Amino acid sequence: EAQVTQNPRYLITVTGKKLTVTCSQNMNHEYMSWYRQDPGLGLRQIYYSMNVEVTDKGDVPEGYKVSRKEKRNFPLILESPSPNQTSLYFCASSGGLAGGGEQYFGPGTRLTVT
Amino acid sequence: RKEVEQDPGPFNVPEGATVAFNCTYSNSASQSFFWYRQDCRKEPKLLMSVYSSGNEDGRFTAQLNRASQYISLLIRDSKLSDSATYLCVVNMASSGTYKYIFGTGTRLKVLA
Repeated sequence: EAQVTQNPRYLITVTGKKLTVTCSQNMNHEYMSWYRQDPGLGLRQIYYSMNVEVTDKGDVPEGYKVSRKEKRNFPLILESPSPNQTSLYFCASSGGLAGGGEQYFGPGTRLTVT
Repeated sequence: RKEVEQDPGPFNVPEGATVAFNCTYSNSASQSFFWYRQDCRKEPKLLMSVYSSGNEDGRFTAQLNRASQYISLLIRDSKLSDSATYLCVVNMASSGTYKYIFGTGTRLKVLA
Protein backbone atom coordinates (compact mmCIF):
# COMPACT_ATOMS: atom_id res chain seq x y z
CA GLU A 1 0.00 0.00 0.00
CA ALA A 2 1.34 3.42 -1.00
CA GLN A 3 1.74 5.49 2.11
CA VAL A 4 3.61 8.06 4.15
CA THR A 5 4.34 7.03 7.72
CA GLN A 6 5.36 9.15 10.67
CA ASN A 7 6.57 8.25 14.12
CA PRO A 8 5.78 8.87 16.85
CA ARG A 9 2.14 9.84 16.46
CA TYR A 10 2.04 11.52 19.86
CA LEU A 11 4.89 12.96 21.85
CA ILE A 12 5.08 14.94 25.07
CA THR A 13 8.51 16.25 25.93
CA VAL A 14 10.24 18.93 27.95
CA THR A 15 11.96 22.10 26.82
CA GLY A 16 15.46 21.52 25.50
CA LYS A 17 15.33 17.74 25.09
CA LYS A 18 16.35 16.90 21.53
CA LEU A 19 13.87 14.87 19.54
CA THR A 20 13.45 13.42 16.08
CA VAL A 21 10.23 12.74 14.22
CA THR A 22 10.67 10.21 11.46
CA CYS A 23 8.96 10.25 8.08
CA SER A 24 9.10 7.56 5.45
CA GLN A 25 7.39 7.07 2.09
CA ASN A 26 7.25 4.01 -0.13
CA MET A 27 6.23 5.70 -3.38
CA ASN A 28 9.74 6.57 -4.62
CA HIS A 29 8.81 10.25 -4.49
CA GLU A 30 11.54 12.81 -4.92
CA TYR A 31 9.86 15.69 -3.12
CA MET A 32 9.24 15.53 0.62
CA SER A 33 8.14 18.19 3.02
CA TRP A 34 7.33 18.98 6.64
CA TYR A 35 4.47 21.17 7.83
CA ARG A 36 3.14 22.35 11.11
CA GLN A 37 -0.52 23.14 11.67
CA ASP A 38 -1.71 25.60 14.27
CA PRO A 39 -5.24 26.89 14.92
CA GLY A 40 -6.04 29.91 12.78
CA LEU A 41 -2.76 29.66 10.88
CA GLY A 42 -3.33 26.64 8.71
CA LEU A 43 -0.50 24.46 7.48
CA ARG A 44 2.87 26.14 7.16
CA GLN A 45 5.83 24.60 5.42
CA ILE A 46 8.90 24.08 7.60
CA TYR A 47 11.40 22.46 5.25
CA TYR A 48 11.26 20.61 2.01
CA SER A 49 13.55 18.41 -0.03
CA MET A 50 13.66 18.10 -3.79
CA ASN A 51 15.81 14.98 -3.69
CA VAL A 52 18.51 13.16 -1.72
CA GLU A 53 20.91 15.63 -0.09
CA VAL A 54 18.85 18.59 -1.39
CA THR A 55 16.89 20.48 1.26
CA ASP A 56 15.56 24.00 1.51
CA LYS A 57 13.77 26.20 4.00
CA GLY A 58 10.05 26.71 3.93
CA ASP A 59 8.25 29.54 5.65
CA VAL A 60 8.90 28.63 9.28
CA PRO A 61 12.29 26.82 9.51
CA GLU A 62 13.55 28.38 12.75
CA GLY A 63 14.23 25.80 15.44
CA TYR A 64 14.12 22.81 13.08
CA LYS A 65 16.59 20.75 11.11
CA VAL A 66 16.10 18.09 8.47
CA SER A 67 18.20 15.64 6.55
CA ARG A 68 17.65 13.60 3.39
CA LYS A 69 20.23 10.84 3.22
CA GLU A 70 17.90 8.36 1.53
CA LYS A 71 15.09 8.98 -0.87
CA ARG A 72 12.43 7.37 1.30
CA ASN A 73 13.25 9.07 4.64
CA PHE A 74 13.03 12.68 5.72
CA PRO A 75 13.38 13.09 9.50
CA LEU A 76 12.54 16.31 11.32
CA ILE A 77 14.89 17.22 14.15
CA LEU A 78 14.22 19.60 16.99
CA GLU A 79 17.59 20.19 18.64
CA SER A 80 16.20 22.17 21.57
CA PRO A 81 12.41 22.12 21.56
CA SER A 82 10.52 25.05 23.04
CA PRO A 83 6.84 25.39 24.00
CA ASN A 84 6.10 27.45 20.86
CA GLN A 85 6.88 24.31 18.85
CA THR A 86 3.87 22.58 20.35
CA SER A 87 1.88 21.79 17.25
CA LEU A 88 0.51 19.17 14.90
CA TYR A 89 3.16 18.13 12.38
CA PHE A 90 2.61 16.54 8.99
CA CYS A 91 5.07 15.01 6.60
CA ALA A 92 4.18 14.85 2.91
CA SER A 93 5.65 13.55 -0.31
CA SER A 94 5.06 14.29 -3.94
CA GLY A 95 6.13 12.64 -7.15
CA GLY A 96 5.18 15.47 -9.45
CA LEU A 97 7.61 17.07 -11.84
CA ALA A 98 9.78 19.73 -10.22
CA GLY A 99 7.93 19.26 -6.96
CA GLY A 100 4.68 20.66 -8.27
CA GLY A 101 2.51 17.59 -8.05
CA GLU A 102 -0.09 16.34 -5.62
CA GLN A 103 1.16 15.73 -2.13
CA TYR A 104 0.36 12.74 0.04
CA PHE A 105 0.39 13.24 3.77
CA GLY A 106 1.38 11.13 6.72
CA PRO A 107 -1.07 10.73 9.62
CA GLY A 108 0.46 13.51 11.70
CA THR A 109 2.49 13.83 14.90
CA ARG A 110 0.97 15.68 17.79
CA LEU A 111 3.85 17.27 19.75
CA THR A 112 3.55 18.94 23.13
CA VAL A 113 6.57 20.70 24.62
CA THR A 114 6.24 21.64 28.28
CA ARG B 1 -2.22 40.34 2.25
CA LYS B 2 -1.99 36.57 2.70
CA GLU B 3 -0.56 34.59 -0.20
CA VAL B 4 -3.56 32.28 -0.26
CA GLU B 5 -6.89 33.38 1.19
CA GLN B 6 -10.06 31.48 1.90
CA ASP B 7 -13.30 32.35 3.63
CA PRO B 8 -13.07 30.37 6.91
CA GLY B 9 -16.82 29.74 7.08
CA PRO B 10 -18.43 27.77 8.49
CA PHE B 11 -20.78 27.16 5.63
CA ASN B 12 -23.85 25.41 7.04
CA VAL B 13 -25.89 23.89 4.24
CA PRO B 14 -28.72 21.34 4.11
CA GLU B 15 -28.23 17.95 2.53
CA GLY B 16 -28.66 18.12 -1.21
CA ALA B 17 -27.59 21.74 -1.49
CA THR B 18 -24.97 23.06 -3.85
CA VAL B 19 -22.14 24.97 -2.23
CA ALA B 20 -19.20 26.85 -3.72
CA PHE B 21 -15.91 27.92 -2.21
CA ASN B 22 -13.44 30.41 -3.60
CA CYS B 23 -9.77 30.82 -2.92
CA THR B 24 -7.60 33.72 -4.04
CA TYR B 25 -3.84 33.71 -4.43
CA SER B 26 -1.49 36.64 -4.69
CA ASN B 27 1.50 35.32 -6.62
CA SER B 28 0.96 35.24 -10.35
CA ALA B 29 3.93 32.85 -10.67
CA SER B 30 1.92 30.11 -8.99
CA GLN B 31 2.11 26.95 -11.00
CA SER B 32 -0.21 24.29 -9.70
CA PHE B 33 -3.34 24.30 -7.63
CA PHE B 34 -5.15 21.79 -5.48
CA TRP B 35 -8.11 21.26 -3.20
CA TYR B 36 -7.62 19.08 -0.16
CA ARG B 37 -10.10 17.87 2.39
CA GLN B 38 -9.22 17.65 6.06
CA ASP B 39 -11.30 16.00 8.75
CA CYS B 40 -10.87 17.18 12.33
CA ARG B 41 -7.08 17.32 12.84
CA LYS B 42 -6.42 14.36 10.58
CA GLU B 43 -4.10 14.49 7.61
CA PRO B 44 -5.19 16.44 4.55
CA LYS B 45 -6.33 14.25 1.69
CA LEU B 46 -6.22 15.24 -1.93
CA LEU B 47 -9.63 16.03 -3.33
CA MET B 48 -8.72 17.42 -6.73
CA SER B 49 -6.00 19.02 -8.72
CA VAL B 50 -7.20 22.14 -10.49
CA TYR B 51 -6.50 22.73 -14.14
CA SER B 52 -6.97 25.77 -16.33
CA SER B 53 -9.59 23.97 -18.34
CA GLY B 54 -11.55 23.09 -15.20
CA ASN B 55 -12.12 19.56 -14.02
CA GLU B 56 -14.92 17.53 -12.58
CA ASP B 57 -15.00 14.44 -10.41
CA GLY B 58 -18.50 13.24 -9.68
CA ARG B 59 -20.23 15.88 -7.56
CA PHE B 60 -17.12 18.04 -7.37
CA THR B 61 -16.03 20.64 -9.90
CA ALA B 62 -12.90 22.74 -9.66
CA GLN B 63 -11.99 25.75 -11.76
CA LEU B 64 -9.00 28.02 -12.11
CA ASN B 65 -9.09 31.64 -13.19
CA ARG B 66 -5.51 32.78 -13.72
CA ALA B 67 -6.48 36.28 -14.85
CA SER B 68 -8.29 36.97 -11.58
CA GLN B 69 -6.04 34.68 -9.54
CA TYR B 70 -8.61 32.51 -7.90
CA ILE B 71 -9.67 28.91 -7.82
CA SER B 72 -13.08 27.57 -6.96
CA LEU B 73 -14.64 24.36 -5.75
CA LEU B 74 -18.28 23.49 -6.36
CA ILE B 75 -19.97 20.66 -4.50
CA ARG B 76 -23.32 19.52 -5.81
CA ASP B 77 -25.90 17.43 -3.95
CA SER B 78 -24.08 17.80 -0.61
CA LYS B 79 -23.90 14.75 1.65
CA LEU B 80 -23.49 14.61 5.40
CA SER B 81 -20.11 12.98 4.74
CA ASP B 82 -18.93 16.10 2.91
CA SER B 83 -18.70 17.90 6.28
CA ALA B 84 -15.02 18.77 6.63
CA THR B 85 -12.54 21.59 6.15
CA TYR B 86 -11.53 22.27 2.56
CA LEU B 87 -8.02 23.52 1.99
CA CYS B 88 -6.86 25.45 -1.03
CA VAL B 89 -3.22 24.81 -1.90
CA VAL B 90 -0.98 26.65 -4.34
CA ASN B 91 2.42 25.51 -5.49
CA MET B 92 4.85 28.31 -6.21
CA ALA B 93 8.13 27.98 -7.99
CA SER B 94 10.63 30.81 -8.15
CA SER B 95 14.41 30.97 -8.36
CA GLY B 96 14.68 27.22 -8.05
CA THR B 97 12.57 26.89 -4.94
CA TYR B 98 9.28 25.05 -4.80
CA LYS B 99 6.88 25.77 -1.99
CA TYR B 100 3.33 24.80 -1.24
CA ILE B 101 1.21 27.50 0.33
CA PHE B 102 -1.98 26.50 2.11
CA GLY B 103 -5.04 28.55 2.77
CA THR B 104 -6.38 28.33 6.30
CA GLY B 105 -9.35 26.32 5.11
CA THR B 106 -13.10 26.66 4.75
CA ARG B 107 -15.30 24.68 7.11
CA LEU B 108 -18.35 23.00 5.65
CA LYS B 109 -21.16 21.53 7.73
CA VAL B 110 -23.83 19.63 5.89
CA LEU B 111 -26.98 19.41 7.97
CA ALA B 112 -29.58 16.67 7.91
